[in-house]
Amino acid sequence: DAKTTQPTSMDCAEGRAANLPCNHSTISGNEYVYWYRQIHSQGPQYIIHGLKNNETNEMASLIITEDRKSSTLILPHATLRDTAVYYCIVRIQGGGNKLTFGTGTQLKVEL
Amino acid sequence: GAVVSQHPSRVICKSGTSVKIECRSLDFQATTMFWYRQFPKQSLMLMATSNEGSKATYEQGVEKDKFLINHASLTLSTLTVTSAHPEDSSFYICSAREDTEAFFGQGTRLTVV
Repeated sequence: DAKTTQPTSMDCAEGRAANLPCNHSTISGNEYVYWYRQIHSQGPQYIIHGLKNNETNEMASLIITEDRKSSTLILPHATLRDTAVYYCIVRIQGGGNKLTFGTGTQLKVEL
Repeated sequence: GAVVSQHPSRVICKSGTSVKIECRSLDFQATTMFWYRQFPKQSLMLMATSNEGSKATYEQGVEKDKFLINHASLTLSTLTVTSAHPEDSSFYICSAREDTEAFFGQGTRLTVV
């Protein structure tokens, strides 16, 4: 699986959009970009994934650059409950589903 | 999404005893489950891949005789930490595959005293 690089931490004001970047410059053509988050002392929670098109669901939007070397997870209206560590993972879909977690981004949403 | 349940959520045990952690897929069948370990302020580290009806595959550096994994049914995998020591204190998390997605349990906080 390709390696990813994320900022260690970010702050966001409640109600504002949180934009979390991820670099994956060595991504292969058949690798998807997945985002998970982990609220303190809980298991990771799936957020969204995509291959090359932008994706949106009830939780977030995923913007993938045309060259697929980077992506941004957007939480449109961050709340205090969105405070968590966000992990960007690239992998082949269905490839045993073994997920390799990096260090992630600690997002802190504040009033 | 699919639901994965872990039990117990928290356990304290004495050094030298064994502890069993259960991971259940509640509304789907999982031929493959994964066990992770997470130390404070660190990321999740994959310990082993649990395959229904066959032996688990352990990651490098993980002692298979210490961390016993059993995946006897399509909805249940267990991790037994044998002869636990304080350094085994950690947050243990399981994951189960449903179709192409992975869903996680809520984790088990193990404290060995």
